[in-house]
Amino acid sequence: NAGVTQTPKFRILKIGQSMTLQCTQDMNHNYMYWYRQDPGMGLKLIYYSVGAGITDKGEVPNGYNVSRSTTEDFPLRLELAAPSQTSVYFCASSSSAGGMDTQYFGPGTRLTVL
Amino acid sequence: QQQVKQSPQSLIVQKGGISIINCAYENTAFDYFPWYQQFPGKGPALLIAIRPDVSEKKEGRFTISFNKSAKQFSLHIMDSQPGDSATYFCAAMEYNFNKFYFGSGTKLNVKP
Repeated sequence: NAGVTQTPKFRILKIGQSMTLQCTQDMNHNYMYWYRQDPGMGLKLIYYSVGAGITDKGEVPNGYNVSRSTTEDFPLRLELAAPSQTSVYFCASSSSAGGMDTQYFGPGTRLTVL
Repeated sequence: QQQVKQSPQSLIVQKGGISIINCAYENTAFDYFPWYQQFPGKGPALLIAIRPDVSEKKEGRFTISFNKSAKQFSLHIMDSQPGDSATYFCAAMEYNFNKFYFGSGTKLNVKP
């Protein structure tokens, strides 16, 4: 199993550009999450999904969109990139609501918006 | 408003010593408290977790102590090793709402 994979690893965007961060998991997990991690800070939840076709906002959803058309994939879309979106983005998945189960994290995407 | 407050920001411990990281929360509806370990350039990985029906959970050298009345929980790393040097995050979650709230992290450096 590859676990949770994310692409790209690094990206530099200009202000106003758009991009999609890809996330794929091969563990057949229902729950998937997107977080951002700013320097010296903990992770903040952007969006999450409890299954294909179902998504919901987290703590910091503004400026982002998600979709979940399959169990495996959970892409994060940035529209009109802003410098405030410079961060490291982590995707995670779990088989349950995290109560007794592990959240598996991907390696992250480092995004810089100039 | 930060849902989970973590301290200290950084910690230096000698090899063999005890590392202690503290977290506090306000929302009494939180009912799951995991700790994550993150090495540079990697995603966080679950280390140990506790539910509020117990006051302590131990796994090897790692122990969570939980004080429900004080709304505090802490991670103790016994016999700390240089390989434990990493950033540690506490988190809290309300089970039915699928949302994790993370502390700001503690950078641990274990000196040989």
